[in-house]
Amino acid sequence: GNSVTQMEGPVTLSEEAFLTINCTYTATGYPSLFWYVQYPGEGLQLLLKATKADDKGSNKGFEATYRKETTSFHLEKGSVQVSDSAVYFCALSRKGGKLIFGQGTELSVKP
Amino acid sequence: EAQVTQNPRYLITVTGKKLTVTCSQNMNHEYMSWYRQDPGLGLRQIYYSMNVEVTDKGDVPEGYKVSRKEKRNFPLILESPSPNQTSLYFCASSLTTGGGTGELFFGEGSRLTVL
Repeated sequence: GNSVTQMEGPVTLSEEAFLTINCTYTATGYPSLFWYVQYPGEGLQLLLKATKADDKGSNKGFEATYRKETTSFHLEKGSVQVSDSAVYFCALSRKGGKLIFGQGTELSVKP
Repeated sequence: EAQVTQNPRYLITVTGKKLTVTCSQNMNHEYMSWYRQDPGLGLRQIYYSMNVEVTDKGDVPEGYKVSRKEKRNFPLILESPSPNQTSLYFCASSLTTGGGTGELFFGEGSRLTVL
């Protein structure tokens, strides 16, 4: 079936460090892929998306590339800030439009 | 301001006492959905609605009901809550079906505790 697997958290980094959060998926067909972010006490909001293989989504300094050959959509940022502390969810869309979410990865950035 | 509004934000109740969590969106979205968020499990879809009077089960519908009588509202009903329904609930909406190129807009969440 369709599923999303993310690296386990929490991930703790110092400010200005490089961030990678791994995400791999299992899906039939060609899903669209998403990263959502959840700041403390808030709902999820879309961070970036990619709709086909080799697409790169980017927003707020974050990037992720849709890699069909490795079924991956890893999230990266070159220099994290304290304000990036949040929970990050990888997700895919399946037939009928439903989103399937990974379990979430908590990121904590220390000054 | 475009938003999805859920109420209540926090609720403590007892087993078997019926409750309703309301959800309203002001973006004229066709698609609405309910999720629950539990530690280590991410978000799991409870029910969704493609349009008025059209609802369908998600991945974990047991113990829940929904209705979609108006486009803007999508209440979640727990007829007889049980402790395993203690969770953080999110309502979300989308102009399209939520997948593909559609973007889901989430409410701020409703934290429910069932004693």
